[in-house]
Amino acid sequence: QKEVEQNSGPLSVPEGAIASLNCTYSDRGSQSFFWYRQYSGKSPELIMSIYSNGDKEDGRFTAQLNKASQYVSLLIRDSQPSDSATYLCAVRRGGGSYIPTFGRGTSLIVHP
Amino acid sequence: KAGVTQTPRYLIKTRGQQVTLSCSPISGHRSVSWYQQTPGQGLQFLFEYFSETQRNKGNFPGRFSGRQFSNSRSEMNVSTLELGDSALYLCASSPQGGTSEAFFGQGTRLTVV
Repeated sequence: QKEVEQNSGPLSVPEGAIASLNCTYSDRGSQSFFWYRQYSGKSPELIMSIYSNGDKEDGRFTAQLNKASQYVSLLIRDSQPSDSATYLCAVRRGGGSYIPTFGRGTSLIVHP
Repeated sequence: KAGVTQTPRYLIKTRGQQVTLSCSPISGHRSVSWYQQTPGQGLQFLFEYFSETQRNKGNFPGRFSGRQFSNSRSEMNVSTLELGDSALYLCASSPQGGTSEAFFGQGTRLTVV
């Protein structure tokens, strides 16, 4: 069973702090990794993708991938109340096979 | 550039009926995937279509089916609806599938009564 695990939370952080969201996966053949943000009642929105080990930064967001340890994380610096949402981790095998596996998401609450 | 468009946004159906949902992908995108999202199960993959062919399929019963047209628009059909089919159905498009990033539509909220 290929699985993607996330702590459901909620993760509560004060405004301005760093929020750290973690995701582990079981399929060692995974090659593509994505973070989606989903506001309540809305559809998921892609915020980061990462394909190789290391860090990838985009504005206040940093994705970190460690394939040896099979985890991917998302750091949100200078967290804002507008970042309050559920963050979904998605993992996909490569080779033209498009069957992504999503975690159930981590609820993030940024309080003023 | 227009995003992924799903219609209708909301539907209420009775058990035993069938329903058809529609998805228009981003212009130029050839891969369309469908997902079911429920509070209990999270986001689950239904199937993916690429160039009018079903390329991948998740673990859903045969009551769930789909198709893709030559203009890449896709439809999903659910026959003999059950109460448990109540969910948010999401469509996502990507240029090629595979390692391409996917963009979601706003979803269709289906309620089965």
